Amino acid sequence: AQSVTQLGSHVSVSEGALVLLRCNYSSSVPPYLFWYVQYPNQGLQLLLKYTSAATLVKGINGFEAEFKKSETSFHLTKPSAHMSDAAEYFCAVSEGTGANSKLTFGKGITLSVRP
Amino acid sequence: GAVVSQHPSRVICKSGTSVKIECRSLDFQATTMFWYRQFPKKSLMLMATSNEGSKATYEQGVEKDKFLINHASLTLSTLTVTSAHPEDSSFYICSARVGSFRGSPLHFGNGTRLTVT
Repeated sequence: AQSVTQLGSHVSVSEGALVLLRCNYSSSVPPYLFWYVQYPNQGLQLLLKYTSAATLVKGINGFEAEFKKSETSFHLTKPSAHMSDAAEYFCAVSEGTGANSKLTFGKGITLSVRP
Repeated sequence: GAVVSQHPSRVICKSGTSVKIECRSLDFQATTMFWYRQFPKKSLMLMATSNEGSKATYEQGVEKDKFLINHASLTLSTLTVTSAHPEDSSFYICSARVGSFRGSPLHFGNGTRLTVT
């Protein structure tokens, strides 16, 4: 079974600082990986996805992630944090085949941005 | 594109009653929809996979008689929480993908906050 691990539950950065949210995956097949963001009392919004094309993936809101097979990692970064980036972030891996393939999520990381 | 609409956004019900939550794909057809449950400060737990015109597939530990799922059309899936109890209080989120490629992302509704009193 595929899985993702998000170490730590909370990251706090200053506005303008680098954001780094870690995600490691476990997969017996080439993985499809995703990062989602969730604001309070809302659903999840896709930030970016890796589907075996370029290893450096750019997403919305200035976020990007790099797929590193040797490290089984897919860390999310943003060069300069903004107050509006404060939210919950989830890494996910697609598991299964075809239309019924489901997403398995990590536990999520809460990002706080200090003024 | 790829908008998933969920209704209601919040619902409060009394213990013992049933609540229906609707999930619609507004601009695409979804043969498969996924229902997740999110506990406070916790990740998302997949409850079931619903397929249009057939029975839903429930994850281990999810009571299929309590959480009834119906996927009657290519744009609508419903989750009914039957005989609700306070422990069923949670945030329920539905999702769907465009097409059948497993690398396509899931698109999520805005969730339903269920409170059982």
